[in-house]
Amino acid sequence: DTGVSQDPRHKITKRGQNVTFRCDPISEHNRLYWYRQTLGQGPEFLTYFQNEAQLEKSRLLSDRFSAERPKGSFSTLEIQRTEQGDSAMYLCASSPGRTGEKLFFGSGTQLSVL
Amino acid sequence: AQKVTQAQTEISVVEKEDVTLDCVYETRDTTYYLFWYKQPPSGELVFLIRRNSFDEQNEISGRYSWNFQKSTSSFNFTITASQVVDSAVYFCALSEAGNYGQNFVFGPGTRLSVLP
Repeated sequence: DTGVSQDPRHKITKRGQNVTFRCDPISEHNRLYWYRQTLGQGPEFLTYFQNEAQLEKSRLLSDRFSAERPKGSFSTLEIQRTEQGDSAMYLCASSPGRTGEKLFFGSGTQLSVL
Repeated sequence: AQKVTQAQTEISVVEKEDVTLDCVYETRDTTYYLFWYKQPPSGELVFLIRRNSFDEQNEISGRYSWNFQKSTSSFNFTITASQVVDSAVYFCALSEAGNYGQNFVFGPGTRLSVLP
């Protein structure tokens, strides 16, 4: 069990640039989640995959955000035309897929948009 | 809609004191799951406990204990004899079994500072 890994740990970008984050879940986990966390707040749900299918998206996920999980393995979260309000910690989590299972979180990617 | 409230934004205690972190939740489902996570300064959320809605037994794990009361929709967390290493942000979370996708809803968190 190597845990959930996210890359990069930190990303600094200029407003208007595109950024992409990667998440590698625990290998046997079917479900993969993306969350966003801003300072002083709890994680907010962005989107969820069961295998390669993106089954739910939060209204927080504007058209500038897109997530993929090709082949049901790793996932990427892309933000186009970044805005300063996108600055946050982006957390990835995975779970085995059984009802009520806990989420295993990665260390997150801290995004700063200048 | 599901909701989690953690009314205490920040708590400071002196080492060895007991401290209770409050969590109140809202759900329309009869089957749901409650969780506590710890987020130390390193940033990674660490799972502490899961409780399903049909199990109201309180649980103790070392210095940690949890009090689940459906009648008041609360799931409080107590640390006995707190230690400096307990300093972190603690999140309560709710997951509804009937919610397709099973997205978790987290509370805003309580920042606990344990002073030596």
